[in-house]
Amino acid sequence: EPEVTQTPSHQVTQMGQEVILRCVPISNHLYFYWYRQILGQKVEFLVSFYNNEISEKSEIFDDQFSVERPDGSNFTLKIRSTKLEDSAMYFCASRLYEGIGSTEAFFGQGTRLTVV
Amino acid sequence: AQSVTQLDSHVSVSEGTPVLLRCNYSSSYSPSLFWYVQHPNKGLQLLLKYTSAATLVKGINGFEAEFKKSETSFHLTKPSAHMSDAAEYFCVVTGYNQGGKLIFGQGTELSVKP
Repeated sequence: EPEVTQTPSHQVTQMGQEVILRCVPISNHLYFYWYRQILGQKVEFLVSFYNNEISEKSEIFDDQFSVERPDGSNFTLKIRSTKLEDSAMYFCASRLYEGIGSTEAFFGQGTRLTVV
Repeated sequence: AQSVTQLDSHVSVSEGTPVLLRCNYSSSYSPSLFWYVQHPNKGLQLLLKYTSAATLVKGINGFEAEFKKSETSFHLTKPSAHMSDAAEYFCVVTGYNQGGKLIFGQGTELSVKP
């Protein structure tokens, strides 16, 4: 069964450093997302991406964040200068279709980011 | 705007007894609704989905949910809990007129006692 894969599974970084979280979505999917889950809190939407551009982003997704699909298979989330409060589990998801009768999103296993 | 409310942050049942996890949604258009499960230190796995077909939806591991438009509810049930069902459960809504993003409920932690 196709799956979304994320690397690394766990990343520890120092405050102020840049991190790149990587995701390989399911190959025929068209819509891509990043979510995060701070420990003990709900899953929060960060950004959605379609047709090589951001289609929607949340208030959390400020100028420190960026996404890219550099080669048609990988989908990356970059945090330019990490803060302690960026520590969270980051989930990548992909989806075939949005809209009426939309399909489910498939989630990766997550990357646990710890900022020290 | 769309939103999801999971009415219980924690539910505890005994093994072999029924499970009910409650979810109410708010959506100004025909929503798609999902239940995802997250086992400790694992990713999010789809349990079941409602996308405007049959209102009673069956999912994996014996779970099912009923879409009730009049009550704006999508409660998750299982006739008989198993120890392996202990996990965090998320009710999720999405809808065409609010963009395609998935909106998560707060989550319900299910504990199963022997």
